[in-house]
Amino acid sequence: DTEVTQTPKHLVMGMTNKKSLKCEQHMGHRAMYWYKQKAKKPPELMFVYSYEKLSINESVPSRFSPECPNSSLLNLHLHALQPEDSALYLCASSQEDSGASNTGELFFGEGSRLTVL
Amino acid sequence: DAKTTQPTSMDCAEGRAANLPCNHSTISGNEYVYWYRQIHSQGPQYIIHGLKNNETNEMASLIITEDRKSSTLILPHATLRDTAVYYCIVSYPNDMRFGAGTRLTVKP
Repeated sequence: DTEVTQTPKHLVMGMTNKKSLKCEQHMGHRAMYWYKQKAKKPPELMFVYSYEKLSINESVPSRFSPECPNSSLLNLHLHALQPEDSALYLCASSQEDSGASNTGELFFGEGSRLTVL
Repeated sequence: DAKTTQPTSMDCAEGRAANLPCNHSTISGNEYVYWYRQIHSQGPQYIIHGLKNNETNEMASLIITEDRKSSTLILPHATLRDTAVYYCIVSYPNDMRFGAGTRLTVKP
């Protein structure tokens, strides 16, 4: 199983709503990532979790709250978002060790397309 | 402060080799060169990576210059399905940040 599964595929929410994006992988990867991608732009790194601990936060506004409840799951909790937060949110996973077997290859999900009204 | 420089766009004829260049003059000794591609509305897909030596897999070849300041991704026989944005990334494992990429269009 080399899949990263993201749900939901599409989400429409109002600025006062609270919602969550979910990501799951069963490859035994211990590094998981959230990226944000606006139309016609490259993916932007938001958060990195390593062994279920937050290791990188790219100065993301607090209305985005990541959570890694276990090694297979990654959530992104959304609250009080703005219309400019509308984007494709991509989850990825990779090995997390310094050994020679770690190629650094990221496995991406298909993304959750978020629209904030 | 971009680590890589790629052409904005390129065209290639179907069946011909596509050669995508990337400049990374500030690469440090332990950073790898990775290539990913993203087909419209899909998640990025890993293609290949290398440190110093040239690499080949079932998808592509990666040629890295001896001074490691530039590299070329080669798709040996491009098909219409290879139309995508190709990203060259210089990185340590687990810290992948994307630049603007090259939009490759394969034409019949």
